[in-house]
Amino acid sequence: QSALTQPPSASGSPGQSVTISCTGTSSDVGAYNYVSWYQQHPGKAPKLMIYEVSQRPSGVPDRFAGSKSGNTASLTVSGLQAEDEADYYCSSFAGSNDFVIFGGGTKLTVL
Amino acid sequence: QVQLQESGPGLVEPSETLSLTCSVSGGSINNYYWSWIRQSPGKGLEWIGFIHFTGRTKYSPSLGSRVTISVDTSKNQFSLTLNSMTAADTAVYYCARVLCPSGSYYCSAFDYWGQGSLVTVSS
Repeated sequence: QSALTQPPSASGSPGQSVTISCTGTSSDVGAYNYVSWYQQHPGKAPKLMIYEVSQRPSGVPDRFAGSKSGNTASLTVSGLQAEDEADYYCSSFAGSNDFVIFGGGTKLTVL
Repeated sequence: QVQLQESGPGLVEPSETLSLTCSVSGGSINNYYWSWIRQSPGKGLEWIGFIHFTGRTKYSPSLGSRVTISVDTSKNQFSLTLNSMTAADTAVYYCARVLCPSGSYYCSAFDYWGQGSLVTVSS
């Protein structure tokens, strides 16, 4: 299975909204509602922000929202804050053989 | 609060075997799936495999027979063994818990992570 495709970078000013895409295939993103998003600050472990396309774990601000259309999932960060600057990775269940695959990551810059 | 901590050598020689252990505290290893995930320097994340507390395992096809994951419920730990190490295996290795909410079927999100253990393959 190939990795999911994410844009290498995204940016926005404080208070604005930014959307990061994650494109897969009909065998992963398009087939299952099991897309997750992770935030990773430099030198830190990834943090789960969204699971099952649009579910937020306890403690994750509602500024973070996930969605999916066809083979593409999206993460929208509203009301950008300086601390949102980080790398964001998507993942998807990819069937019983591959289990889970990740995207290449998107570096979000808050201008 | 569940906490995970990886332990093991930071340096492995080429062709040798890597052994890492993940200690789970603040919660029981029982009733969950647990995973190993790695991240090569400056690169993305790669799933290595998972283990259920009962011992059921699933490994990444790309790593095939090189990887073994085991669990010791009496110690609240699970471990990773990766043999025939090469420079391409140099990475930060993370252990993580698989999130599986009630009613979910293809549980594949990771809600608790260790801090990561940098493993360098070099002679």
